[in-house]
Amino acid sequence: EVQLVDSGGGLVQPGGSLRLSCAASGFTFNRHWMSWVRQAPGKGLEWVANINQDGSERYYVDSVKGRFTISRDNTKNSLYLQMNSLRAEDTAVYYCGRYDSSGEGYFDYWGQGTLVTVSS
Amino acid sequence: EIVLTQSPGTLSLSPGERATLSCRASQSVHRNYLAWYHQKPGQAPRLLIYGASSRATGIPDRFSGSGSGTDFTLTISRLEPEDFAVYYCQQYGRSWTFGQGTKVEIK
Repeated sequence: EVQLVDSGGGLVQPGGSLRLSCAASGFTFNRHWMSWVRQAPGKGLEWVANINQDGSERYYVDSVKGRFTISRDNTKNSLYLQMNSLRAEDTAVYYCGRYDSSGEGYFDYWGQGTLVTVSS
Repeated sequence: EIVLTQSPGTLSLSPGERATLSCRASQSVHRNYLAWYHQKPGQAPRLLIYGASSRATGIPDRFSGSGSGTDFTLTISRLEPEDFAVYYCQQYGRSWTFGQGTKVEIK
């Protein structure tokens, strides 16, 4: 059974940093692109970042470029999101998502999400 | 950036009724790479449709997707109680963007 477990969220002050993790199991992790998608309270979904199978390709939404870094450790079946210079508008539930097996770009499995709150 | 506009914002229907949700793109979606998800309160989104019209694994056949280019539709033939949720479309042809969502609520 495919499982994605998100963790690492919490309360952080503006300008602070946080590292999110996503532990994957039930599938061959190193064969899939992975992503982070966020959802601000009461709002819709926003794609944040993608990473390919070996980490050599990474893409970000403009609003987080230069502040967030997506990475992965295929030996630990884990995905990460390092978030620096956090702003109030980064407050959201962050979900990790698995790319489909064919690599087209839709998300066939999602983690349960982890809440990041940026506030003083 | 491709902007996806979903309509209506809210759809009030009764169980057993037919639901028709629209997703319009600001430019043509490459290869019709358009997916639909639904999300219940406090839960992660769940994939329903990909490639505009292909049902994901385990999704009942009352869900169907159609459309091409800039206009796409999700149809739920007969609403079941568990179908009342928020529905999002997503394009993944050029970068990745979501629509703002359509809430399907019980009338």
